Amino acid sequence: KNQVEQSPQSLIILEGKNCTLQCNYTVSPFSNLRWYKQDTGRGPVSLTIMTFSENTKSNGRYTATLDADTKQSSLHITASQLSDSASYICVVRLFNQAGTALIFGKGTTLSVSS
Amino acid sequence: IAGITQAPTSQILAAGRRMTLRCTQDMRHNAMYWYRQDLGLGLRLIHYSNTAGTTGKGEVPDGYSVSRANTDDFPLTLASAVPSQTSVYFCASRPHQGGPLTFGAGSRLTVL
Repeated sequence: KNQVEQSPQSLIILEGKNCTLQCNYTVSPFSNLRWYKQDTGRGPVSLTIMTFSENTKSNGRYTATLDADTKQSSLHITASQLSDSASYICVVRLFNQAGTALIFGKGTTLSVSS
Repeated sequence: IAGITQAPTSQILAAGRRMTLRCTQDMRHNAMYWYRQDLGLGLRLIHYSNTAGTTGKGEVPDGYSVSRANTDDFPLTLASAVPSQTSVYFCASRPHQGGPLTFGAGSRLTVL
């Protein structure tokens, strides 16, 4: 069964600290993996996309990694800010399928406190 | 501002009533989607449309219907609302199968 599992479910860190969110998937055939950020009361927004051949990609203070062999991805946030408080959702796309091709994780809720 | 507009933002509805959630995009995206988001369950696909004139069922389609008469609009209808349809509903679109989803701000629906 195609599944995306995220951990931890929630996380609280102090402002300025780093953190890493995990995403494990059992999706096949794999096309790509995206991380989305969802602020409270808003829709998710894409942070980064990882394809099969990519190991790491950065977007400002966000760095995503992908290990296609172990089917794991991580999202590392450096020098966290209060505005990083949000839910982070890992989404994996099945290769060459339309419509129902996206498999969503349940998200990790990050709270950054001062 | 380019994006997705959802309406209403929030609605309280009596069980058994009919309700249509509206979704309009101005990006000329081909594909559009409706998701519901519930605590602990994440985002679940209700219905989708790959292009105007076509629709498909997602993971949780029962009790919902959609239409795609043109590229820009993708309304979601609850024919007879039930309390289990209390949720936050997100409309999304993307230009092609590999592109990122653009989400609306959501419609919070409470069925009593």
